[in-house]
Amino acid sequence: AQSVTQLGSHVSVSEGALVLLRCNYSSSVPPYLFWYVQYPNQGLQLLLKYTSAATLVKGINGFEAEFKKSETSFHLTKPSAHMSDAAEYFCAVRSGGSNYKLTFGKGTLLTVNP
Amino acid sequence: DAGVIQSPRHEVTEMGQEVTLRCKPISGHNSLFWYRQTMMRGLELLIYFNNNVPIDDSGMPEDRFSAKMPNASFSTLKIQPSEPRDSAVYFCASTPGGANTGELFFGEGSRLTVL
Repeated sequence: AQSVTQLGSHVSVSEGALVLLRCNYSSSVPPYLFWYVQYPNQGLQLLLKYTSAATLVKGINGFEAEFKKSETSFHLTKPSAHMSDAAEYFCAVRSGGSNYKLTFGKGTLLTVNP
Repeated sequence: DAGVIQSPRHEVTEMGQEVTLRCKPISGHNSLFWYRQTMMRGLELLIYFNNNVPIDDSGMPEDRFSAKMPNASFSTLKIQPSEPRDSAVYFCASTPGGANTGELFFGEGSRLTVL
């Protein structure tokens, strides 16, 4: 069975500060991993994905994430937060094969203070 | 290209009424998913279809919920009778299927309030 744990339901940073959102996964086979962002009253949009190629993955809006197999982690970072980054962020895992089911974490709400 | 289209965007109904949510996936996508989002439980997968066939409905809460996909371009999620605890945002998502990474494309969601 696959699962995702996001540490911290709410993260608050100042504008210009480093953003670090944590995600740990559990999967019985090499996983595909995703980060999605949800702005208020909208659906989820893909930020980036890991698909067993490069372990450091770059996404949209300056975000990146590093896959660390030894730590079963896929933390999301951005060097400098912008006010427009305020949103909820979801980590998700898929175990591959023909099963396209994504299992999502509980989400982390990012607040950016001026 | 049009994304995943859901309707209605908002629905307010009274307990006991039937609710039907609709979804049009992205053209050419073979897999379709219904998720429910609440503050308490986060995002829960209700059911998913592959090539119009239900593959996994283990997340459907109870017999009051049913989902159909009569063709590749349309799916419905029905709740009958509705209850206040069904209040949530219901998302539809699709993915191309085949040999791909399984990235999901989400609709804007249908916000359901049951009074």
